[in-house]
Amino acid sequence: EAGVAQSPRYKIIEKRQSVAFWCNPISGHATLYWYQQILGQGPKLLIQFQNNGVVDDSQLPKDRFSAERLKGVDSTLKIQPAKLEDSAVYLCASSQMGQRGETQYFGPGTRLLVL
Amino acid sequence: AQSVTQPDIHITVSEGASLELRCNYSYGATPYLFWYVQSPGQGLQLLLKYFSGDTLVQGIKGFEAEFKRSQSSFNLRKPSVHWSDAAEYFCAVGAGNNDMRFGAGTRLTVKP
Repeated sequence: EAGVAQSPRYKIIEKRQSVAFWCNPISGHATLYWYQQILGQGPKLLIQFQNNGVVDDSQLPKDRFSAERLKGVDSTLKIQPAKLEDSAVYLCASSQMGQRGETQYFGPGTRLLVL
Repeated sequence: AQSVTQPDIHITVSEGASLELRCNYSYGATPYLFWYVQSPGQGLQLLLKYFSGDTLVQGIKGFEAEFKRSQSSFNLRKPSVHWSDAAEYFCAVGAGNNDMRFGAGTRLTVKP
């Protein structure tokens, strides 16, 4: 079974530029999560999708971050414009139904450096 | 709101020695608790999880964890550490929509 795929693996941009990350979850998984992991911290949930609908985006900085999952499969997370403090690893995860306690399967992440 | 504290930022143990990583949680209801491991440049891999029932949970790679409600703890243990166990370990508590709150992590170094 293929795991969660993410691209690119690394990205370096200058502040005020825009950037987009892509995630393809495990086939058949209805729930998709985006996490931000700042160096030295645990992952923090940015947004959770159930199929193509948003379940929770309470911690997403909506003035600069956006995410979509138009067909309920793969997803894109965008930052525009980027700030220095956005430097982090962006992790995508998926689970089957989004029920409490379900195992979340994580991709390898995209490491973003904002200069 | 749920939260997780991992008191130890970095732990060093000798290969073959036993290991215990501490995790304390705060959650109003019965917690769903997880331990994940993250190797450099990799995503997170689930080691084990606790929902209910037996408070001693067995996981992959020889790890186990014990849920102690009275102490709000879910400590991870391994009787004999291998060099390949060197990684970052995260404890997490799961809430209603399966959103998880992670601790800050404990980095494990294994000495030969």
